[in-house]
Amino acid sequence: NAGVTQTPKFRVLKTGQSMTLLCAQDMNHEYMYWYRQDPGMGLRLIHYSVGEGTTAKGEVPDGYNVSRLKKQNFLLGLESAAPSQTSVYFCASSYSRRWEPQHFGDGTRLSIL
Amino acid sequence: GENVEQHPSTLSVQEGDSAVIKCTYSDSASNYFPWYKQELGKGPQLIIDIRSNVGEKKDQRIAVTLNKTAKHFSLHITETQPEDSAVYFCAASLYQTGANNLFFGTGTRLTVIP
Repeated sequence: NAGVTQTPKFRVLKTGQSMTLLCAQDMNHEYMYWYRQDPGMGLRLIHYSVGEGTTAKGEVPDGYNVSRLKKQNFLLGLESAAPSQTSVYFCASSYSRRWEPQHFGDGTRLSIL
Repeated sequence: GENVEQHPSTLSVQEGDSAVIKCTYSDSASNYFPWYKQELGKGPQLIIDIRSNVGEKKDQRIAVTLNKTAKHFSLHITETQPEDSAVYFCAASLYQTGANNLFFGTGTRLTVIP
């Protein structure tokens, strides 16, 4: 049972380039989330999805887009990367029932030069 | 939105001593409070959680207390061991139909000295 798997683990981009981060979960969870983690700021929610075909904005959505075409996958896209998007990105998933814990992947470390 | 503050940012204890990490939250409607442990290069891992209808919860050496009136909750680790060294995050959540989003504190780096 792999849980939540994120690819790639590391990536370096130049300003203005685009890329997509992939999150896959094998727990049949309805909800999925993307967070970013910056030093001294904890984790902040970027976007989330409450089911296949749905997406919604979190605390810091600007500069990112997401898609959830399949229940098990949640993609995070950067259309035109900026140095301010240098961060560690975490994906999480959970059941939709009240008080269900979120399960996290091991992150993608992204550097924008 | 919800604002979660966490203290201290760093904490060093001798092996066998207790460690306490405290968090406050701003939205009185928040009703779920998980604690996560994050080791270097890994994602956060849930260690314990508490719901708003419970004042205290314990799991072996780990306990969490919740004071809804004061809007604060705390993590207590007893008999600390070197493998407890990690960064710990508190979080608060307001469950709403169609959303179960977490708001995190800024983390506490715990070092257990052998």
